[in-house]
Amino acid sequence: GAVVSQHPSWVICKSGTSVKIECRSLDFQATTMFWYRQFPKQSLMLMATSNEGSKATYEQGVEKDKFLINHASLTLSTLTVTSAHPEDSSFYICSARDPGAPNQPQHFGDGTRLSIL
Amino acid sequence: GEDVEQSLFLSVREGDSSVINCTYTDSSSTYLYWYKQEPGAGLQLLTYIFSNMDMKQDQRLTVLLNKKDKHLSLRIADTQTGDSAIYFCAEYLGKLTFGTGTRLQVTL
Repeated sequence: GAVVSQHPSWVICKSGTSVKIECRSLDFQATTMFWYRQFPKQSLMLMATSNEGSKATYEQGVEKDKFLINHASLTLSTLTVTSAHPEDSSFYICSARDPGAPNQPQHFGDGTRLSIL
Repeated sequence: GEDVEQSLFLSVREGDSSVINCTYTDSSSTYLYWYKQEPGAGLQLLTYIFSNMDMKQDQRLTVLLNKKDKHLSLRIADTQTGDSAIYFCAEYLGKLTFGTGTRLQVTL
Protein backbone atom coordinates (compact mmCIF):
# COMPACT_ATOMS: atom_id res chain seq x y z
CA GLY A 1 0.00 0.00 0.00
CA ALA A 2 0.88 3.65 -0.15
CA VAL A 3 3.57 4.74 2.28
CA VAL A 4 4.78 8.06 3.55
CA SER A 5 8.30 8.19 4.87
CA GLN A 6 9.29 10.86 7.38
CA HIS A 7 12.86 11.53 8.39
CA PRO A 8 14.43 11.86 10.90
CA SER A 9 12.33 10.14 13.54
CA TRP A 10 14.01 11.91 16.45
CA VAL A 11 16.14 15.01 16.70
CA ILE A 12 17.84 16.57 19.70
CA CYS A 13 19.62 19.84 19.15
CA LYS A 14 20.70 23.02 20.85
CA SER A 15 18.60 26.14 21.01
CA GLY A 16 19.18 28.43 18.04
CA THR A 17 19.84 25.76 15.43
CA SER A 18 17.62 25.05 12.45
CA VAL A 19 16.16 21.61 11.89
CA LYS A 20 14.89 20.17 8.63
CA ILE A 21 12.31 17.38 8.50
CA GLU A 22 11.61 15.50 5.28
CA CYS A 23 8.39 13.92 4.17
CA ARG A 24 8.34 11.62 1.14
CA SER A 25 5.55 9.81 -0.63
CA LEU A 26 7.07 6.51 -1.71
CA ASP A 27 4.71 5.07 -4.27
CA PHE A 28 2.38 7.85 -5.30
CA GLN A 29 2.64 11.45 -6.34
CA ALA A 30 1.48 13.90 -3.74
CA THR A 31 0.60 17.33 -5.00
CA THR A 32 -0.59 18.20 -1.52
CA MET A 33 1.08 17.42 1.79
CA PHE A 34 0.15 18.48 5.31
CA TRP A 35 2.24 19.26 8.36
CA TYR A 36 0.88 18.71 11.84
CA ARG A 37 2.18 19.41 15.29
CA GLN A 38 1.25 17.42 18.35
CA PHE A 39 2.02 18.37 21.93
CA PRO A 40 2.02 15.65 24.61
CA LYS A 41 -1.42 14.28 25.36
CA GLN A 42 -3.01 16.54 22.79
CA SER A 43 -4.50 16.14 19.35
CA LEU A 44 -2.87 16.88 16.03
CA MET A 45 -3.01 20.50 15.00
CA LEU A 46 -2.64 21.36 11.35
CA MET A 47 0.20 23.81 10.81
CA ALA A 48 0.20 24.20 7.07
CA THR A 49 -0.82 22.73 3.75
CA SER A 50 1.99 22.29 1.29
CA ASN A 51 1.28 22.41 -2.43
CA GLU A 52 3.83 21.31 -4.99
CA GLY A 53 5.25 24.21 -6.92
CA SER A 54 3.53 26.93 -4.92
CA LYS A 55 3.66 28.57 -1.53
CA ALA A 56 2.35 26.73 1.49
CA THR A 57 -0.87 27.79 3.17
CA TYR A 58 -0.38 28.33 6.88
CA GLU A 59 -3.03 27.99 9.57
CA GLN A 60 -3.81 30.94 11.75
CA GLY A 61 -1.21 31.52 14.43
CA VAL A 62 1.58 29.59 12.68
CA GLU A 63 4.61 31.72 11.85
CA LYS A 64 5.60 31.11 8.25
CA ASP A 65 9.04 32.59 8.79
CA LYS A 66 9.60 30.22 11.68
CA PHE A 67 8.34 27.09 9.95
CA LEU A 68 9.61 27.08 6.38
CA ILE A 69 7.93 24.65 4.04
CA ASN A 70 9.26 23.61 0.67
CA HIS A 71 7.45 21.28 -1.72
CA ALA A 72 9.68 21.26 -4.75
CA SER A 73 8.73 17.86 -6.13
CA LEU A 74 5.68 15.61 -6.25
CA THR A 75 7.21 13.23 -3.72
CA LEU A 76 9.00 15.46 -1.25
CA SER A 77 8.03 18.20 1.17
CA THR A 78 10.32 19.61 3.84
CA LEU A 79 9.63 21.50 7.03
CA THR A 80 12.47 23.59 8.45
CA VAL A 81 12.16 24.86 11.99
CA THR A 82 14.38 27.92 11.98
CA SER A 83 16.27 29.09 15.05
CA ALA A 84 14.54 26.47 17.15
CA HIS A 85 13.87 27.10 20.83
CA PRO A 86 12.67 24.81 23.63
CA GLU A 87 9.05 25.84 23.07
CA ASP A 88 9.33 24.36 19.56
CA SER A 89 9.90 20.93 21.06
CA SER A 90 7.04 18.78 19.87
CA PHE A 91 6.04 15.82 17.72
CA TYR A 92 5.74 16.79 14.06
CA ILE A 93 3.77 14.59 11.68
CA CYS A 94 3.44 14.94 7.94
CA SER A 95 0.86 13.43 5.68
CA ALA A 96 0.38 13.27 1.95
CA ARG A 97 -2.80 13.33 -0.04
CA ASP A 98 -3.20 10.40 -2.39
CA PRO A 99 -5.49 11.46 -5.24
CA GLY A 100 -5.94 7.84 -6.24
CA ALA A 101 -7.42 6.81 -2.88
CA PRO A 102 -10.62 8.75 -2.16
CA ASN A 103 -11.45 6.56 0.83
CA GLN A 104 -8.19 7.38 2.53
CA PRO A 105 -7.32 10.89 1.47
CA GLN A 106 -4.22 11.26 3.64
CA HIS A 107 -1.42 8.84 4.41
CA PHE A 108 0.67 9.66 7.48
CA GLY A 109 4.35 9.50 8.25
CA ASP A 110 5.58 8.06 11.52
CA GLY A 111 6.39 11.48 12.94
CA THR A 112 9.49 13.32 14.09
CA ARG A 113 10.13 14.00 17.74
CA LEU A 114 11.96 17.29 18.07
CA SER A 115 13.67 18.11 21.35
CA ILE A 116 15.38 21.48 21.72
CA LEU A 117 17.75 21.86 24.64
CA GLY B 1 -15.89 26.14 13.73
CA GLU B 2 -14.72 22.59 13.21
CA ASP B 3 -14.27 21.35 16.80
CA VAL B 4 -14.45 17.60 17.09
CA GLU B 5 -14.94 16.39 20.66
CA GLN B 6 -14.07 13.11 22.31
CA SER B 7 -13.95 11.93 25.90
CA LEU B 8 -10.41 11.92 27.24
CA PHE B 9 -10.04 8.51 28.79
CA LEU B 10 -11.61 5.06 28.75
CA SER B 11 -10.57 2.02 30.74
CA VAL B 12 -11.87 -1.47 30.00
CA ARG B 13 -10.98 -5.00 30.98
CA GLU B 14 -9.42 -7.35 28.49
CA GLY B 15 -12.11 -9.25 26.62
CA ASP B 16 -14.79 -6.60 27.15
CA SER B 17 -16.06 -4.27 24.44
CA SER B 18 -14.86 -0.68 24.19
CA VAL B 19 -16.97 2.13 22.84
CA ILE B 20 -15.28 5.39 21.95
CA ASN B 21 -17.50 8.33 21.14
CA CYS B 22 -16.99 11.37 18.97
CA THR B 23 -19.10 14.43 18.27
CA TYR B 24 -18.34 16.43 15.18
CA THR B 25 -19.75 19.75 14.11
CA ASP B 26 -19.81 19.89 10.32
CA SER B 27 -22.63 17.94 8.71
CA SER B 28 -21.04 18.42 5.28
CA SER B 29 -18.21 16.02 6.10
CA THR B 30 -17.99 13.39 3.39
CA TYR B 31 -15.98 10.80 5.25
CA LEU B 32 -15.37 10.19 8.93
CA TYR B 33 -12.34 8.29 10.12
CA TRP B 34 -10.92 6.52 13.13
CA TYR B 35 -7.18 6.51 13.71
CA LYS B 36 -5.06 4.76 16.31
CA GLN B 37 -1.86 6.22 17.72
CA GLU B 38 0.50 4.20 19.86
CA PRO B 39 3.08 5.98 22.05
CA GLY B 40 5.71 7.82 20.03
CA ALA B 41 4.26 6.65 16.73
CA GLY B 42 2.34 8.14 13.86
CA LEU B 43 -1.26 7.53 12.99
CA GLN B 44 -2.69 4.23 11.84
CA LEU B 45 -5.95 4.32 9.93
CA LEU B 46 -8.36 1.84 11.51
CA THR B 47 -11.53 2.34 9.57
CA TYR B 48 -13.72 4.94 7.95
CA ILE B 49 -17.36 5.48 7.14
CA PHE B 50 -18.96 7.40 4.34
CA SER B 51 -21.44 10.02 5.45
CA ASN B 52 -24.45 8.30 3.84
CA MET B 53 -23.92 5.13 5.87
CA ASP B 54 -25.25 4.35 9.34
CA MET B 55 -22.99 1.50 10.25
CA LYS B 56 -19.88 -0.25 9.12
CA GLN B 57 -18.36 -3.42 10.53
CA ASP B 58 -14.79 -4.51 9.96
CA GLN B 59 -13.76 -7.58 11.96
CA ARG B 60 -13.66 -6.46 15.63
CA LEU B 61 -14.48 -2.87 14.76
CA THR B 62 -17.96 -1.44 14.36
CA VAL B 63 -18.55 2.17 13.43
CA LEU B 64 -21.91 3.80 14.04
CA LEU B 65 -22.85 7.13 12.56
CA ASN B 66 -25.77 9.27 13.67
CA LYS B 67 -25.72 12.09 11.19
CA LYS B 68 -28.68 13.88 12.74
CA ASP B 69 -26.84 14.21 16.05
CA LYS B 70 -23.39 14.40 14.41
CA HIS B 71 -22.29 11.52 16.57
CA LEU B 72 -19.77 8.88 15.62
CA SER B 73 -18.74 5.88 17.67
CA LEU B 74 -16.17 3.13 17.44
CA ARG B 75 -16.85 -0.19 19.12
CA ILE B 76 -13.96 -2.59 19.62
CA ALA B 77 -15.13 -6.10 20.41
CA ASP B 78 -13.06 -8.45 22.59
CA THR B 79 -10.64 -5.66 23.51
CA GLN B 80 -7.03 -6.78 23.87
CA THR B 81 -4.04 -5.25 25.66
CA GLY B 82 -2.62 -4.41 22.24
CA ASP B 83 -5.57 -2.11 21.68
CA SER B 84 -4.26 0.25 24.36
CA ALA B 85 -3.54 3.49 22.51
CA ILE B 86 -5.01 6.88 21.74
CA TYR B 87 -7.87 6.89 19.31
CA PHE B 88 -8.73 9.89 17.16
CA CYS B 89 -11.81 10.45 15.12
CA ALA B 90 -11.46 12.79 12.17
CA GLU B 91 -13.77 14.45 9.71
CA TYR B 92 -12.83 15.22 6.15
CA LEU B 93 -13.78 18.41 4.35
CA GLY B 94 -10.94 18.83 1.94
CA LYS B 95 -8.60 18.27 4.83
CA LEU B 96 -8.70 16.20 7.97
CA THR B 97 -9.74 17.74 11.28
CA PHE B 98 -8.97 15.56 14.25
CA GLY B 99 -10.85 15.04 17.45
CA THR B 100 -9.30 15.63 20.83
CA GLY B 101 -8.37 11.97 21.21
CA THR B 102 -9.41 9.23 23.64
CA ARG B 103 -6.83 7.29 25.58
CA LEU B 104 -7.93 3.66 25.85
CA GLN B 105 -6.44 1.65 28.68
CA VAL B 106 -6.98 -2.09 28.67
CA THR B 107 -6.50 -3.85 32.00
CA LEU B 108 -6.09 -7.54 32.74
